[in-house]
Amino acid sequence: QKEVEQDPGPLSVPEGAIVSLNCTYSNSAFQYFMWYRQYSRKGPELLMYTYSSGNKEDGRFTAQVDKSSKYISLFIRDSQPSDSATYLCAMSDIRSGGSNYKLTFGKGTLLTVNP
Amino acid sequence: DGGITQSPKYLFRKEGQNVTLSCEQNLNHDAMYWYRQDPGQGLRLIYYSQIVNDFQKGDIAEGYSVSREKKESFPLTVTSAQKNPTAFYLCASSISYGTQETQYFGPGTRLLVL
Repeated sequence: QKEVEQDPGPLSVPEGAIVSLNCTYSNSAFQYFMWYRQYSRKGPELLMYTYSSGNKEDGRFTAQVDKSSKYISLFIRDSQPSDSATYLCAMSDIRSGGSNYKLTFGKGTLLTVNP
Repeated sequence: DGGITQSPKYLFRKEGQNVTLSCEQNLNHDAMYWYRQDPGQGLRLIYYSQIVNDFQKGDIAEGYSVSREKKESFPLTVTSAQKNPTAFYLCASSISYGTQETQYFGPGTRLLVL
């Protein structure tokens, strides 16, 4: 079983739709969860960053973490054509002493928002 | 304007040739990282550096080498020993290693083999 599983899509939605992107993971030691957005031929940019379980909202974006199910989600409300990109989930296990900071990435989901 | 710069944007390598990818940051971050991204795959860690004059192998270090002589610079050399170097290479940095601060990425260098 891979450490992080992410459906690669592609996912195509009409403008204004609510988008749900998801990742599952197997390592229960993961504590920090991130979503990156990557436009074609560009570097990833950090969208959302959460610690442990719960929800975090930033504008049209909501990140949700359910550690009991080992499942994280990113919701995009009122999706726009400019949201068309690949979305990567990432997570890390920072053990005591801070000696092990390594991001483990999902493969990314390609999202297209059609006008 | 703070950020991470990578050059060149595109790089061509001939068989048996070593090439060096540049990564510079002016964020005053201590930690820097190199990743490789292949189509349909997640990012894979090549090397990372927690502090100047120190670096560690990541998951796929074979065929690559790095140096960290200055805080702001972390160049990656793709050696002739790397048999499948065609990929998108991403440099990242974080405030320090082993904290909850996450990583920020540069724009990437696409390496192609002639």
